[in-house]
Amino acid sequence: DVKVTQSSRYLVKRTGEKVFLECVQDMDHENMFWYRQDPGLGLRLIYFSYDVKMKEKGDIPEGYSVSREKKERFSLILESASTNQTSMYLCASSFPLGQGNTEAFFGQGTRLTVV
Amino acid sequence: DAKTTQPPSMDCAEGRAANLPCNHSTISGNEYVYWYRQIHSQGPQYIIHGLKNNETNEMASLIITEDRKSSTLILPHATLRDTAVYYCIVRPNPFYNQGGKLIFGQGTELSVKP
Repeated sequence: DVKVTQSSRYLVKRTGEKVFLECVQDMDHENMFWYRQDPGLGLRLIYFSYDVKMKEKGDIPEGYSVSREKKERFSLILESASTNQTSMYLCASSFPLGQGNTEAFFGQGTRLTVV
Repeated sequence: DAKTTQPPSMDCAEGRAANLPCNHSTISGNEYVYWYRQIHSQGPQYIIHGLKNNETNEMASLIITEDRKSSTLILPHATLRDTAVYYCIVRPNPFYNQGGKLIFGQGTELSVKP
């Protein structure tokens, strides 16, 4: 079974802290994604990566950065956490279109609270 | 990117078919229609996808209109465990977008009732 594993299920951080959210997938997928999910707003794409060291901004990249040094790992970084970044963060991975089964697999999510 | 429109909520009786509609009138020729669902407190789960032909798998059927401007996801015998938010997504053309990113809308909250 494909596994997308997020390092933490729940996280509490203080305002101004640097926060790292880690995601690892075991299916050799090229694509990896970071979303945040907030009540009434659905899932919003923060960043995605289509290859090692390649990244592209999603709809809401402000306040975030990402790192993809290895194919299986995609990290989301909050340089200076703020209370408006309190949210559920979801990681996903997939093959690109044209390479077999292209469905995206999601992790269980990290519920981040910034106090 | 093509946008999708779904009703915000729907009810369905347990054991009956659930038909979830989606409008995607600006879809382009090479864009696929994907359906995912999200059960409370879990990550989204892939259900099915299609380009122009109807598709069926062990979870659901996908009916795409001939003009591809709308589609319907059918859960043939809904159970209480099918209660979830269902997202219809049109995936960008990979020729222009190597990543093929997924943009989620608001989805339809399906409540299956006993």
